[in-house]
Amino acid sequence: DVKVTQSSRYLVKRTGEKVFLECVQDMDHENMFWYRQDPGLGLRLIYFSYDVKMKEKGDIPEGYSVSREKKERFSLILESASTNQTSMYLCASRTPQGGDTQYFGPGTRLTVL
Amino acid sequence: TQLLKQSPQFLSIQEGENLTVYCNSSSVFSSLQWYRQEPGEGPVLLVTVVTGGEVKKLKRLTFQFGDARKDSSLHITAAQTGDTGLYLCAGARPGAGNMLTFGGGTRLMVKP
Repeated sequence: DVKVTQSSRYLVKRTGEKVFLECVQDMDHENMFWYRQDPGLGLRLIYFSYDVKMKEKGDIPEGYSVSREKKERFSLILESASTNQTSMYLCASRTPQGGDTQYFGPGTRLTVL
Repeated sequence: TQLLKQSPQFLSIQEGENLTVYCNSSSVFSSLQWYRQEPGEGPVLLVTVVTGGEVKKLKRLTFQFGDARKDSSLHITAAQTGDTGLYLCAGARPGAGNMLTFGGGTRLMVKP
């Protein structure tokens, strides 16, 4: 059974703090993704990674960075959190052999005060 | 600018009614996926349609991909309270590594 886990379900941080969101998948998938989800806007791609040590900007990368040191782990970093980064963050993974299907984690609801 | 427009944004119906959700774009997609998301969970794939004009059925749910592969619809027959949730369409962009572009979502509430 496919499994994508995220380190926290809920997180509250203060403006200016550095925030780490961790995602782990156990399916040996090459590709991993970070999205943010806001009401009425659907999911918007922040960053993705085709494989270990690789990263590509998505549609809204400003204010974020990522790290992929191991195949199973993809981290999203908010260098200096701001209130407009309050959102639901979703991690996903896929394998190119599996078509376009992405498998999602449960999400992290981040509030920046 | 959203490449995929989903409508309606909200839908509240009685159990037993039928409904249709639409997903429209001016862009061509190599495939289109429908996901369902429950509160506190990530989206879960319902179906992928690949061929223009394709129709897929999943029990009471019928998915259609437009002939030009730019739009899609989801029809639910005799809705049940268990169908309540957020429905998301996502198109795979050819020439962009088949990255997914998501619609804004349709929040469906089925009342008993």
